[in-house]
Amino acid sequence: DTAVSQTPKYLVTQMGNDKSIKCEQNLGHDTMYWYKQDSKKFLKIMFSYNNKELIINETVPNRFSPKSPDKAHLNLHINSLELGDSAVYFCASSHPENLIGGLPYNEQFFGPGTRLTVL
Amino acid sequence: AQTVTQSQPEMSVQEAETVTLSCTYDTSENNYYLFWYKQPPSRQMILVIRQEAYKQQNATENRFSVNFQKAAKSFSLKISDSQLGDTAMYFCAFMNQIDYNNNDMRFGAGTRLTVKP
Repeated sequence: DTAVSQTPKYLVTQMGNDKSIKCEQNLGHDTMYWYKQDSKKFLKIMFSYNNKELIINETVPNRFSPKSPDKAHLNLHINSLELGDSAVYFCASSHPENLIGGLPYNEQFFGPGTRLTVL
Repeated sequence: AQTVTQSQPEMSVQEAETVTLSCTYDTSENNYYLFWYKQPPSRQMILVIRQEAYKQQNATENRFSVNFQKAAKSFSLKISDSQLGDTAMYFCAFMNQIDYNNNDMRFGAGTRLTVKP
């Protein structure tokens, strides 16, 4: 009953290759995210998609392209991989929930992460 | 832009004792959420506790509680009766309420907590 799943869990590849990381959520959420966690553990948002539409696109190289075939999936494609792309990539999803006080709240549920190593 | 600062890269505590992890943030917004996430060696990101900025009462979850000082923009996490399983990286995070469908979460650099037997 995995809520947010990512494949593969580990990915080792050569510099210059093109690779994809898949993310799927079975929570019925409308919004999905990709985060990058570097070797110093710093976690930074890369993209956010709501209903298959790009909402957030942080300063990420063009080599990174998210693709959302449907609401339940947000895949991350990386072209021409570089050494600096080595990191753990986390997918997350959320759905608006109204809390007391009237402010919407989107708890983000994280996937298990994908460790990408570029040699 | 919102920033989140965790000034303690590493901390340690003896089992059964209490430890406090600090976090400060910078924002011009009035409505937002604050979180503490735990990342054990398994790498999973686990939500520990959250605080709504419009609430004055500090959030608590069992052994975990926060000291939320809105004017000072401070959000510290207190772990009571520390257990070996609490050993992990702890991330403070800020989420602004931009609109209903878009929540941009910003993380601090993390604090590595080690609980010693």
